Amino acid sequence: EVQLVESGGGLVQPGGSLRLSCAASGFSFNDYNLIWVRQAPGKGLEWLSYISSSSGTIYYGDSVKGRLSISRDNAKNSLFLQMYNLRAEDTAVYYCARDFPESDAFDIWGQGTVVTVSS
Amino acid sequence: SYELTQPPSVSVSPGQTASLTCSGDKLGDKFASWYQQRPGQSPVLVIYQDTKRPSGIPERFSGSNSGNTATLTISGTQAMDEADYYCQAWDASIVAFGEGTKLTVL
Repeated sequence: EVQLVESGGGLVQPGGSLRLSCAASGFSFNDYNLIWVRQAPGKGLEWLSYISSSSGTIYYGDSVKGRLSISRDNAKNSLFLQMYNLRAEDTAVYYCARDFPESDAFDIWGQGTVVTVSS
Repeated sequence: SYELTQPPSVSVSPGQTASLTCSGDKLGDKFASWYQQRPGQSPVLVIYQDTKRPSGIPERFSGSNSGNTATLTISGTQAMDEADYYCQAWDASIVAFGEGTKLTVL
């Protein structure tokens, strides 16, 4: 089964850091580009970052630029999101998603991991 | 940044046709995608490249995109189609999502 499973979420204090992981299975991970998306409580989807299959191309959304770092380990079929200087407004469900090749869309989504920023 | 605008809510009666719109500057020059998100669940891709349905998506879901507006049409709407729907497009190095439309089937 093609699957993405996020982990690493939890409660963190304002100003803290957190590293999220996304484990892939059921497909050839190193052939696919990936993204991170978050969804604050009761809000819509917000794109955070994109990484190409070889890590050669990386993009960040303006709202989080400078506080996030995306990376991947193709040998371990894993995607990561390092978050720094977290704020209350970063509280959200964080999803990883797979790029559907040559479609400009994202066809496989994880179940999400919850990040809560609070003192 | 690139903005996609969706109406916050749309209501439709069971069996009728629902039309959900997404507006953005020259959106018709890009590929539009649509995602369905039921409460407590992850998004599901229902339309890509303006008009195409992924495997497993019912034929009642269709899409179009021209000018500044993309449209998701659900024909013969069923109760199970009640969900939030998000449009999405790429603009240069940005992935943009619309704010979402809550579809109510009543």
